[in-house]
Amino acid sequence: QSALTQPASVSGSPGQSITISCTGTSSDIGGYKYVSWYQHHPGKAPKLIIYEVSVRPSGVSNRFSGSKSGNTAFLTISGLQAEDEADYYCSSDRSSRLFGGGTRLTVL
Amino acid sequence: EGELVESGGGLVQPGGSLRLSCVASGFRFSAYWMTWVRKAPGKGLERVANIDEDGKKKNYLDSVTGRFTISRDNAKRSLFLQMNRLRVEDTAVYYCARDSDYSAFDVWGQGTMVTVSS
Repeated sequence: QSALTQPASVSGSPGQSITISCTGTSSDIGGYKYVSWYQHHPGKAPKLIIYEVSVRPSGVSNRFSGSKSGNTAFLTISGLQAEDEADYYCSSDRSSRLFGGGTRLTVL
Repeated sequence: EGELVESGGGLVQPGGSLRLSCVASGFRFSAYWMTWVRKAPGKGLERVANIDEDGKKKNYLDSVTGRFTISRDNAKRSLFLQMNRLRVEDTAVYYCARDSDYSAFDVWGQGTMVTVSS
């Protein structure tokens, strides 16, 4: 199975909002509510920040939000902070749990 | 919430073997599917293998099928990944992760580095 498609990089200035897309098919993103997003700072453990398309785990900032339209999911980060600079991955498909290729967020 | 600690990584020559371990604490290990995920240099996250609560159902990434074996010992709260016939392209940080009830990996270990090189 192919990985989900994400932009390789996005950037934004502190305080701004950015959105990362994750495009799949009707067999994964379009067909399930099970879309999740992970934040990965190099050298650290990945961290779950969104599950079931738009649900934030306890302790995750409300600056992170998720949504879905058709076969594409979106992660929006509002009020960008320097600490948000990291790699972000989407994931879907209950059975085989595909990951997107990852998006490097640069805070300018 | 739970903690996972991996071990067993290291430097190995192509064709060699390694056995990774992951010890869980702080949650009922036997109640969850568990997964090994890897991050190769310059590449994204990749699910390598997962295993059901009882150790009976297993799924593997195509490129590791026949070379890697995932297993678990619920009594010891441990997850394992036996890696044989290692290739240079298996070089990565390997993470163990808990598969939550809502189809997301909600607990991750810090990872263990596997380097395959001559």
